[in-house]
Amino acid sequence: AQKITQTQPGMFVQEKEAVTLDCTYDTSDPSYGLFWYKQPSSGEMIFLIYQGSYDQQNATEGRYSLNFQKARKSANLVISASQLGDSAMYFCAMTPPGSNDYKLSFGAGTTVTVRA
Amino acid sequence: NAGVTQTPKFRVLKTGQSMTLLCAQDMNHEYMYWYRQDPGMGLRLIHYSVGEGTTAKGEVPDGYNVSRLKKQNFLLGLESAAPSQTSVYFCASKTSGRRNEQFFGPGTRLTVL
Repeated sequence: AQKITQTQPGMFVQEKEAVTLDCTYDTSDPSYGLFWYKQPSSGEMIFLIYQGSYDQQNATEGRYSLNFQKARKSANLVISASQLGDSAMYFCAMTPPGSNDYKLSFGAGTTVTVRA
Repeated sequence: NAGVTQTPKFRVLKTGQSMTLLCAQDMNHEYMYWYRQDPGMGLRLIHYSVGEGTTAKGEVPDGYNVSRLKKQNFLLGLESAAPSQTSVYFCASKTSGRRNEQFFGPGTRLTVL
């Protein structure tokens, strides 16, 4: 399985500020997909954003953007204008889209706490 | 459209007991997955299926079996539960189409005493 590393166990951010969550990965496959999921305290897994390794532009979805640096093997999530509802665990994951099974490998996660 | 549902939501077992977790999806997805989530760790893949009648092992398959007799259902079985299988179990599904993300169920919290 690919190795995903999230080095920040927990982060605090002030409401309305931006926060960057780090994610690095290790794969020798040139074709892969990168994902971010949010897990609030209620426990469900919510898909946020996807980046394909051959995509020319960084992915954006509303207040979420992915800072993709392929040469550095990093896929950091940026949340702009943080809201109290952004308090959650965030997971980085990847899968080789060239395969036919799309299995996900997850990082250990980063807990984000938004302060009012 | 219920998405991905899991039954039961909570369960407590004694060591050695058996049980089956049911995952159902109404999105006509080809791919289905079972993950487990332990404290301080990300989700780890147990077993998965790329279509009706197919199953394959993931990263942590020992102690579990699965079946996919119908496209919409993916069953996860524990034949002889062990305390190490105390975890939160998530089922997920994915279309074979262009969309890349997996859709997750709400999870099943299993405690093995």
